[in-house]
Amino acid sequence: RKEVEQDPGPFNVPEGATVAFNCTYSNSASQSFFWYRQDCRKEPKLLMSVYSSGNEDGRFTAQLNRASQYISLLIRDSKLSDSATYLCAGHSSQDQFYFGTGTSLTVIP
Amino acid sequence: SAVISQKPSRDICQRGTSLTIQCQVDSQVTMMFWYRQQPGQSLTLIATANQGSEATYESGFVIDKFPISRPNLTFSTLTVSNMSPEDSSIYLCSVEWTGLVEQFFGPGTRLTVL
Repeated sequence: RKEVEQDPGPFNVPEGATVAFNCTYSNSASQSFFWYRQDCRKEPKLLMSVYSSGNEDGRFTAQLNRASQYISLLIRDSKLSDSATYLCAGHSSQDQFYFGTGTSLTVIP
Repeated sequence: SAVISQKPSRDICQRGTSLTIQCQVDSQVTMMFWYRQQPGQSLTLIATANQGSEATYESGFVIDKFPISRPNLTFSTLTVSNMSPEDSSIYLCSVEWTGLVEQFFGPGTRLTVL
C-alpha cells in the first residue's frame, strides 16, 4: 500500500468554481503535511504546509483530519492559472518525506 | 528567497554512458535529496546526500548506479551511470533548511537516454 494516495483526476472545472482534492495517508506517525503545485515540465513548488488542523491562504484552504488520516485542499474561485498538478506530501517522525502521485486540475474558461 | 540551481537542465545521452548532474544552493542547507520523476509518475526518492559521508540510498537504488557526492553544505552531484533508456526521467534535487521540514526543489534535469 502506498504511503500517500491521491485521486489522479483529471479534475476539469469552470473558472470561478470551487474544487477540493483529498489525500489519504497510511502512516499514522506522520507529523506534518504539505501541498505542492507542479506545472507541466517544472519542479514542484510548495503551496501550503499543514501542521495542525488546517491552514488558509487566500483562496486556498488545507485541512488535516488525523482521525480519518486524510488531508484536503480546497480552492475557491478557481482561476485559469490554477491549472496544474497538485501533489500532497507527508513527513514522518522518522524524517521520511513521501509524495502522492498528484491530482491534475484544469480550469476551463 | 534562496536559489537552487541544477546543471544541466536537460541532456540526451547514449546508452552505456554516464551523466553527472549538479545541484547548487546559494545558502547552506541541512539536507539535500535526489529524486526521480518519470513521466506521469510521482516523485521517487533516490537517496539522501550526506555531507562528508556516503549517501543513504532508498530501496531499489545502489551506489554503483547512482553515485552521489556532497562535498559541502551547498553542493551535491548525482551521477547516472551506465545509462539505459529506462533511466530517462527528470532528476530533481531538493533541500531542507535547518529548523524547517519543508523540502524545496531545484528546477530539475530532464534526461533522455537513446
